[in-house]
Amino acid sequence: SAVISQKPSRDICQRGTSLTIQCQVDSQVTMMFWYRQQPGQSLTLIATANQGSEATYESGFVIDKFPISRPNLTFSTLTVSNMSPEDSSIYLCSVAGQGHNYGYTFGSGTRLTVV
Amino acid sequence: GQQVMQIPQYQHVQEGEDFTTYCNSSTTLSNIQWYKQRPGGHPVFLIQLVKSGEVKKQKRLTFQFGEAKKNSSLHITATQTTDVGTYFCAGFPYNTGNQFYFGTGTSLTVIP
Repeated sequence: SAVISQKPSRDICQRGTSLTIQCQVDSQVTMMFWYRQQPGQSLTLIATANQGSEATYESGFVIDKFPISRPNLTFSTLTVSNMSPEDSSIYLCSVAGQGHNYGYTFGSGTRLTVV
Repeated sequence: GQQVMQIPQYQHVQEGEDFTTYCNSSTTLSNIQWYKQRPGGHPVFLIQLVKSGEVKKQKRLTFQFGEAKKNSSLHITATQTTDVGTYFCAGFPYNTGNQFYFGTGTSLTVIP
């Protein structure tokens, strides 16, 4: 299965600022997925990032707040803009499994605290 | 909208006891996956079930997919402290491409 390097692993940010999270995959993948996981909760899909086109956002998430870049088939970034304490969460990127392993592989996550 | 619910939300067991978590979807699923997330970690894929009534085993873990493909269960026999974590199902409805929905999760605590 793919190996994903996600950074930063954690950050503490001031409200009103922005943070960009990076995910690097060790193989080329068509789609990358960005999730948010609030403490003790399940995972919520933010958006799907396709190379060469705009990301597709889920209900409740907008591009102005969570701009995504996907410059090539192995890399993507998610920016959390104009942060407020409500944005404090874990953010994870993910890619679909390939070959016989159909499971999704997740990055190690970015634990964001907004103060 | 799509919903995938899991029960129980939390489960505390003595080491050596069995554990079961149940996953229920509001719609029929083409397949279902199970993930384990250790405390402080990220979800890790365990298994995928595709066929109606399918049963798969991984050592002490037994996974079932319901006949109607709307529910699933994960059973752990003789729990160990290494089983601690949150178990999520992820349901894939028909005709939604790669879209899938994580269940609400069951957090397992194993008391030594």
